Amino acid sequence: TQLLEQSPQFLSIQEGENLTVYCNSSSVFSSLQWYRQEPGEGPVLLVTVVTGGEVKKLKRLTFQFGDARKDSSLHITAAQTGDTGLYLCAGEEETSGSRLTFGEGTQLTVNP
Amino acid sequence: NAGVTQTPKFQVLKTGQSMTLQCAQDMNHEYMSWYRQDPGMGLRLIHYSVGAGITDQGEVPNGYNVSRSTTEDFPLRLLSAAPSQTSVYFCASSFTGMNTEAFFGQGTRLTVV
Repeated sequence: TQLLEQSPQFLSIQEGENLTVYCNSSSVFSSLQWYRQEPGEGPVLLVTVVTGGEVKKLKRLTFQFGDARKDSSLHITAAQTGDTGLYLCAGEEETSGSRLTFGEGTQLTVNP
Repeated sequence: NAGVTQTPKFQVLKTGQSMTLQCAQDMNHEYMSWYRQDPGMGLRLIHYSVGAGITDQGEVPNGYNVSRSTTEDFPLRLLSAAPSQTSVYFCASSFTGMNTEAFFGQGTRLTVV
């Protein structure tokens, strides 16, 4: 059973548009991480959110952790073709130590 | 810096064959793990290790074995390959503890025919 559900699974937009990707769970996580993966490569960490309600910004990317620490969102402003990739959320449960549970991923394509 | 190194990058096996996927890290990370990635399934944990001599099963361990004789190496063995094991395999490492970054290798694309 997948503990983390991401939506949408696929997203194709034009350059300059805004988008939001969601990561939802019924479980409480001590932290939630967002990774980006390019074809032929392993995922690379973008950000870790730890506190309920926390908002972190990375240039045009805004990450939010839900108040109850069960969900998170990634918002991209004015998407660029270089944002194309697979975005994965991963949750760390309080009792699991370093063990991560990944969502299914959102494949983002930004068209010129 | 090498980071996490996986070999081979590509492999084709016949059903029933066995093989070992290699993973090595040079960051002195205690925690290492193996995932498989299938379309629409994200990354699913196969096995993990919190330190040398200690391994445990993840979400999808059947058909795979691991060992951790050193901090640096964490090989994944396929005992008798099946077409259902066709996938992309990723090794990852991190320090233990909460909120630590996982570093991934480039992956091994395995096809079982």
